[in-house]
Amino acid sequence: DIVMTQTPLSLSVTPGQPASISCKSSQSLLYSDGKTYLYWYLQKPGQSPQLLIYEVSSRFSGVPDRFSGSGSGTDFTLKISRVEAEDVGVYYCMQGIHLPSTFGPGTKVDIK
Amino acid sequence: EVQLLESGGGLVQPGGSLRLSCAASGFTFSSYAMSWVRQAPGKGLEWVSAISGSGGSTYYADSVKGRFTISRDNSKNTLYLEMNSLRAEDTAVYYCAKAQGPYAVRYAFDIWGQGTMVTVSS
Repeated sequence: DIVMTQTPLSLSVTPGQPASISCKSSQSLLYSDGKTYLYWYLQKPGQSPQLLIYEVSSRFSGVPDRFSGSGSGTDFTLKISRVEAEDVGVYYCMQGIHLPSTFGPGTKVDIK
Repeated sequence: EVQLLESGGGLVQPGGSLRLSCAASGFTFSSYAMSWVRQAPGKGLEWVSAISGSGGSTYYADSVKGRFTISRDNSKNTLYLEMNSLRAEDTAVYYCAKAQGPYAVRYAFDIWGQGTMVTVSS
């Protein structure tokens, strides 16, 4: 199984400041079709997870452009350009190149 | 509006059985793979099982293989998870999730249900 790791595991951010979360996979997520199957989800307190980013850097419908994803191979980053109060929650990366789909442990983001 | 609504959770004794349902609306159900993802209390997300849009292919995590069965009724726009031989470690909120495409792999989960709680305890 592909192991996903995230750093940091918790992050406290001042509103308006940037934030960055790193995600690493134990194997390359680049598939033979040229796409890289790395996704980012946010689980707000008391809610179900929601898709933010798919295929490393494509924002899902309705996701604000302050969220951006980057990376390749085994190293990926989610960046929030200016954190807002509504961005609190746990962020998970997930690989979708091979089953079983596996998630990172999550990064809890709160507001200072 | 695209929506997923889970039901069927509850309290069950170890060794018991439970069937979860996920009613879908707002999209062409048979065109998309579906998965079950669970979250134990205070823990992270764990993928459990997936089924292709046609229902012809099914996949399971090793932790549930041989005990859980995923299925779908495309005429009823409903996904199921039959859970047998339940263990304490199966205690979790179970989410159904829609894939962005017809296959169980290489598509993100773009829509999630609200979840249904399963508690396995004597």
